[in-house]
Amino acid sequence: EVQLVESGGGLVQPGGSLRLSCAASGFTFRSHWMHWVRQAPGKGLVWVSRVNSDGSGTTHADSVKGRFTISRDNAKNTLYLQMNSLRAEDTAVYYCARGNGEGATDYWGQGTLVTVSS
Amino acid sequence: DIVLTQTPLSSPVTLGQPASISCRSSQSLVHSDGNTYLSWLHQRPGQPPRLLIYKISNRFSGVPDRFSGSGAGTDFTLKISRVEAEDVGVYYCMQATQFPWTFGQGTKVEIK
Repeated sequence: EVQLVESGGGLVQPGGSLRLSCAASGFTFRSHWMHWVRQAPGKGLVWVSRVNSDGSGTTHADSVKGRFTISRDNAKNTLYLQMNSLRAEDTAVYYCARGNGEGATDYWGQGTLVTVSS
Repeated sequence: DIVLTQTPLSSPVTLGQPASISCRSSQSLVHSDGNTYLSWLHQRPGQPPRLLIYKISNRFSGVPDRFSGSGAGTDFTLKISRVEAEDVGVYYCMQATQFPWTFGQGTKVEIK
């Protein structure tokens, strides 16, 4: 059974940093692109970042470019999102999602809430 | 960025009746490899999204056949042939033809 479990969310002050993790199991992690998608309270889905299967290629949304970094450790079956210079508008539930190789995200974690507030 | 516009934003439906959601793209979603990377996801309250349809019309594993997707180029549709109670929630279209991947605003389906 495919499982994605996010952790690392919490309350952080503006300008602070957090590192999110997504532990993957039930599939060959190193074979899939992985993504982070966020959802502000009561709002829609926003794609944040992606990393290719071996970690050599990443893409970030303009809204987080230069502040967030996606990475992965295929030996640990874990996806990461390093978030620096956090702003109030980064407050959201952050989901990790698996790419299915056909331009879609087929499995999602339950999400971890990040709240940026003083 | 590619903008996806969904209509309607809210859809009250009667159990057992059909429902339809439109997703219109600001530009063609045909990729240079010939594929069209338009998918549909469903999110129930308090739950993560789950994939329904990918590449316009391919149902994901375990998705009931009352869900179908169609369209081409810039215009796409998700249809539910007979709405069931478990279908309530918000439906999103998503494009993966061009970075950044983008989502529609969401369509809330509720039972009348």
